[in-house]
Amino acid sequence: EPEVTQTPSHQVTQMGQEVILRCVPISNHLYFYWYRQILGQKVEFLVSFYNNEISEKSEIFDDQFSVERPDGSNFTLKIRSTKLEDSAMYFCASRVAGAHEQYFGPGTRLTVT
Amino acid sequence: KNEVEQSPQNLTAQEGEFITINCSYSVGISALHWLQQHPGGGIVSLFMLSSGKKKHGRLIATINIQEKHSSLHITASHPRDSAVYICAVRSTLSGGGADGLTFGKGTHLIIQP
Repeated sequence: EPEVTQTPSHQVTQMGQEVILRCVPISNHLYFYWYRQILGQKVEFLVSFYNNEISEKSEIFDDQFSVERPDGSNFTLKIRSTKLEDSAMYFCASRVAGAHEQYFGPGTRLTVT
Repeated sequence: KNEVEQSPQNLTAQEGEFITINCSYSVGISALHWLQQHPGGGIVSLFMLSSGKKKHGRLIATINIQEKHSSLHITASHPRDSAVYICAVRSTLSGGGADGLTFGKGTHLIIQP
């Protein structure tokens, strides 16, 4: 069964460094999402992406964040200058056109030291 | 802004018990998701509902749109059902690709043998 994949599974970085989290959505899906979950807290929406542009973003998704679909398969989340409070699990999700169900990747655990 | 409340926050039960987890939300929705999150952190979609009731194996999900309430039931619970169960909604205020989900805090379920 097709699934959303994410790499790396765990990323450790120093404060102020740039990180890129990668996602490969399911191949026929056209809508893409990033969510994050700080340890012990609820999952929060960051951004949705469709037709090569951002459809919606939350207050969390400030100028330090960017998303890109550099080729036909990858969907990336870049954090320009990481802060301690960016430490969280980041989930990618995707869905097919015409359906509401979102399929989640396994997540990338980002630790900023 | 949609608020999603789940109850109970924590639930410990004996194997075989019938389990009910509740979710209420504050504004109109176009879809409600029940998700399962295991200790490793990965999120699995269980159900997506916009009305009525769905059943999959021992899991049943219901939604009452007028009352803005949904329930997830587990029949004949088993220790392998132990996980965090999360309710997430897509607001009717969202349109097109702007459909980031709003999540509840989750219900931490432990089924003891």
